[in-house]
Amino acid sequence: AQSVSQHNHHVILSEAASLELGCNYSYGGTVNLFWYVQYPGQHLQLLLKYFSGDPLVKGIKGFEAEFIKSKFSFNLRKPSVQWSDTAEYFCAVKVASGGGADGLTFGKGTHLIIQP
Amino acid sequence: NAGVTQTPKFQVLKTGQSMTLQCAQDMNHNSMYWYRQDPGMGLRLIYYSASEGTTDKGEVPNGYNVSRLNKREFSLRLESAAPSQTSVYFCASTTRSSGELFFGEGSRLTVL
Repeated sequence: AQSVSQHNHHVILSEAASLELGCNYSYGGTVNLFWYVQYPGQHLQLLLKYFSGDPLVKGIKGFEAEFIKSKFSFNLRKPSVQWSDTAEYFCAVKVASGGGADGLTFGKGTHLIIQP
Repeated sequence: NAGVTQTPKFQVLKTGQSMTLQCAQDMNHNSMYWYRQDPGMGLRLIYYSASEGTTDKGEVPNGYNVSRLNKREFSLRLESAAPSQTSVYFCASTTRSSGELFFGEGSRLTVL
C-alpha cells in the first residue's frame, strides 16, 4: 500500500517569506497527487492536483507544486506567503491505475502559521 | 450548490452511547467516504462505498458501521462510543477515477 510522508509538522514563517512544504510518497507506479488546505475551523479544499503532463502545476492563491518522479516527491511552494495562508496543508496520493475507489492516502499534515 | 452536507456538526456522547453521522451529496457522485481526522495523524479512512449497494473497510474500521442508503446518502454509525473515537469526522465523495475528493464541513464528536 502507498504511504505519504510530510516532512514538517509545524512551520512558522513571517509574512512575505517563501514557503516550501515537502511531500514524499512510497508507491513506485503511476500516481495522482494532490495538495489540500484546511483553514481554521473549515473543511478540506483542493489547492492543486497533478495527474500527468507538465510536472509543475499551479493552484489557487499563488500556490504551485512540482512533481519529481525520480524523487517520489510533490513539494508545495509559494514565493511570498500572507497571513491568510495560516492553515493545515495535506498532501495526498492515489494510485492512478485500476480505477479503484478506495479513496486517497493522506500525509499527516503540516500546520503552517504565518506571523504578521 | 450544497455539495457534501454532514449532520450533526457537533455532538457530545457518553461512553457506550450510540449515534449516527449523516452525510448526503447532491453532485451525483458514485463513491463516498468517511475519514476521521486526529491531531498529528492526518486523515484516516474508516469506510468507503464505491457505488450504491457496496461498502468496504478502510484503514480504521473497528467500532464503526456504515450504510449506503442510496446514491446520495452514506451514514456512519457508532454502536457503542468510546473515548478513542473522539475526533473530527469528514465525509467526502467523488465520481472521478482520478480520486479528487469533495469534502463536507466535518462533524466534531466528543466521547466522555
